[in-house]
Amino acid sequence: DGGITQSPKYLFRKEGQNVTLSCEQNLNHDAMYWYRQDPGQGLRLIYYSQIVNDFQKGDIAEGYSVSREKKESFPLTVTSAQKNPTAFYLCASSTARGVGTQYFGPGTRLTVL
Amino acid sequence: DQQVKQNSPSLSVQEGRISILNCDYTNSMFDYFLWYKKYPAEGPTFLISISSIKDKNEDGRFTVFLNKSAKHLSLHIVPSQPGDSAVYFCAASGTAGAAGNKLTFGGGTRVLVKP
Repeated sequence: DGGITQSPKYLFRKEGQNVTLSCEQNLNHDAMYWYRQDPGQGLRLIYYSQIVNDFQKGDIAEGYSVSREKKESFPLTVTSAQKNPTAFYLCASSTARGVGTQYFGPGTRLTVL
Repeated sequence: DQQVKQNSPSLSVQEGRISILNCDYTNSMFDYFLWYKKYPAEGPTFLISISSIKDKNEDGRFTVFLNKSAKHLSLHIVPSQPGDSAVYFCAASGTAGAAGNKLTFGGGTRVLVKP
C-alpha cells in the first residue's frame, strides 16, 4: 500500500535533549513537508523540501533541523533550542510540479517533560 | 498576520441537515484551495479542492464554493452524518515561484453532527 508513515506515534523526551522524528513515503512524491499543530490551532509549516538534498524554512523553523538525503525520507530533528517542543507533528508529501494535494501521515505526539 | 481564516471555531448540526463551513483569505496570489478533515491524534485527510478558475466543485456529499471577488470559500456537507464529526481545515496555495505547493492553513472548525 502506498502511503506516509511516521514513527513513533508517541514520543517522550526530557528537556534539553534533541529528538528526531521519522517520516517515510512510498508515493514517489518529490516534495515533503513538516507541520506542527498545537491544541485548538491550525497547522504551521516548519520545513519543506521540493527535491532531494534541498529544503527551505517554513514559518516556524527556529529550533528545528531537517535533512533530505533520500526521496523517500524527510526526518525532523527537534533541538534543545526549540522553546516549546511539546506538540503534534505532521509530515506530508506531494508532487512538486504545479499545484497538488498534500497527503499526510498519522502524526507523532511529542511530549517534552 | 493570518492569511487564511476560519472564523467559526465550532459548528453543531443535526444529522441529515446541511453543514456549511466558511473560510476567508487575504492573499490574492492564492489560486488553489483545499479542505481537509481531521480526527484527534490523526493526520488530516484530503476531502476536496478547487482551482481559482472554477467557482464550484462537487464530490458526493461535499461541495466547495469559491467567491474570488470576496476572497471567500465555503464547504457544504449534505446530508451531514455522525461520522462527519471532526475538525475541518481550509488551506490555500499559490502556483508561482519557489513556494510551489506550500499550503497555508486556517485555524480549523470543529463540526459536531448530532444523531
